[in-house]
Amino acid sequence: KNQVEQSPQSLIILEGKNCTLQCNYTVSPFSNLRWYKQDTGRGPVSLTIMTFSENTKSNGRYTATLDADTKQSSLHITASQLSDSASYICVVSGESAGNMLTFGGGTRLMVKP
Amino acid sequence: SAVISQKPSRDICQRGTSLTIQCQVDSQVTMMFWYRQQPGQSLTLIATANQGSEATYESGFVIDKFPISRPNLTFSTLTVSNMSPEDSSIYLCSVAGRANYEQYFGPGTRLTVT
Repeated sequence: KNQVEQSPQSLIILEGKNCTLQCNYTVSPFSNLRWYKQDTGRGPVSLTIMTFSENTKSNGRYTATLDADTKQSSLHITASQLSDSASYICVVSGESAGNMLTFGGGTRLMVKP
Repeated sequence: SAVISQKPSRDICQRGTSLTIQCQVDSQVTMMFWYRQQPGQSLTLIATANQGSEATYESGFVIDKFPISRPNLTFSTLTVSNMSPEDSSIYLCSVAGRANYEQYFGPGTRLTVT
């Protein structure tokens, strides 16, 4: 069964600090992995999309890594801001079944002043 | 990118009633999707809305409970029928972008069933 697991479930950090969110998946065959940010009351917004051949991708203060061999990804947030408070969702797409998306449970990040 | 709007943004409904949620996209798209996000949970795909044919439902979701319309390439509706408190969720419309792997989400409709 295709699964995506994220850790931690929730995280509180101080403004200006860095943090790293983890994502492990079992989706096979693998097509791509995405990280989304979901603000409270909003739909998810894409941060990064990585395919098998990419092992790192940045979007401003967000840097995602992918190890397709170990089926792990991380999202690193640098110099956190209050506006980074949101849920971060790891989503993996498989090559079969019409590129069905498998969603992780998300990590709730709270950045405190 | 695609800009997606949903109506209503939120509603409080009584059990046994039905609610129709509208999704409008600012460009023509082939694939539209409806997701449910229960409180504290991640997203679950309800169905894929196909233009000109019946929607394709995922396991655990049926047409009688969640009828979907897709009259054209920019619009779709999802109806939550005979609602119960267990249907209280955020319902999100999503479309596949033109670039590889892009997928965009609407702002969601927050439904509370009392």
